[in-house]
Amino acid sequence: DTGVSQDPRHKITKRGQNVTFRCDPISEHNRLYWYRQTLGQGPEFLTYFQNEAQLEKSRLLSDRFSAERPKGSFSTLEIQRTEQGDSAMYLCASSLGTGSDTEAFFGQGTRLTVV
Amino acid sequence: AQSVTQPDIHITVSEGASLELRCNYSYGATPYLFWYVQSPGQGLQLLLKYFSGDTLVQGIKGFEAEFKRSQSSFNLRKPSVHWSDAAEYFCAVAPLYNQGGKLIFGQGTELSVKP
Repeated sequence: DTGVSQDPRHKITKRGQNVTFRCDPISEHNRLYWYRQTLGQGPEFLTYFQNEAQLEKSRLLSDRFSAERPKGSFSTLEIQRTEQGDSAMYLCASSLGTGSDTEAFFGQGTRLTVV
Repeated sequence: AQSVTQPDIHITVSEGASLELRCNYSYGATPYLFWYVQSPGQGLQLLLKYFSGDTLVQGIKGFEAEFKRSQSSFNLRKPSVHWSDAAEYFCAVAPLYNQGGKLIFGQGTELSVKP
């Protein structure tokens, strides 16, 4: 399978715990994006990387959230001290290009439930 | 304010009937435009995109969309709907001012198909 893969697909955690998600993009893609999608809403942009550099972060990305993309390959998104409001689907996407006219390919997402 | 609006939250059509899903955007300049489909438990799949040129674009699964600059619209159409088209549809834009390719999504339109 050469698509974008995310792990885990589902995560249930207690409030206050830390969680980490992983995204493996399509291998030749230089860009990687994280989005968050809550029920009944469209995905909202969180952050993106070009190669290993994190070039933009949304205001949605509070200081409890951190993302990395070491070596410009896979990426991790960590949420510290989870809150119930963090419950959502976290989507990863990747693309190849340098401008806005690129096609993003999405993974199936990680559904986080904070109890 | 910059936004993407999908006025219809939920649409029901009969199988074999035609379909039109509406999308309006509000940006200073014409952004790049996309339609994505999301089936339950799945990631987002790109149906079609508009970057420039012919304002009527063809996509996968028999979908097409027409860009109308004067109306700031990018409506999705299909002449004959199949039961397998039942899903959530998202319109998205990539603003030209942002070279990172991040996508701004509408709220989505859920499509139900009656037999």
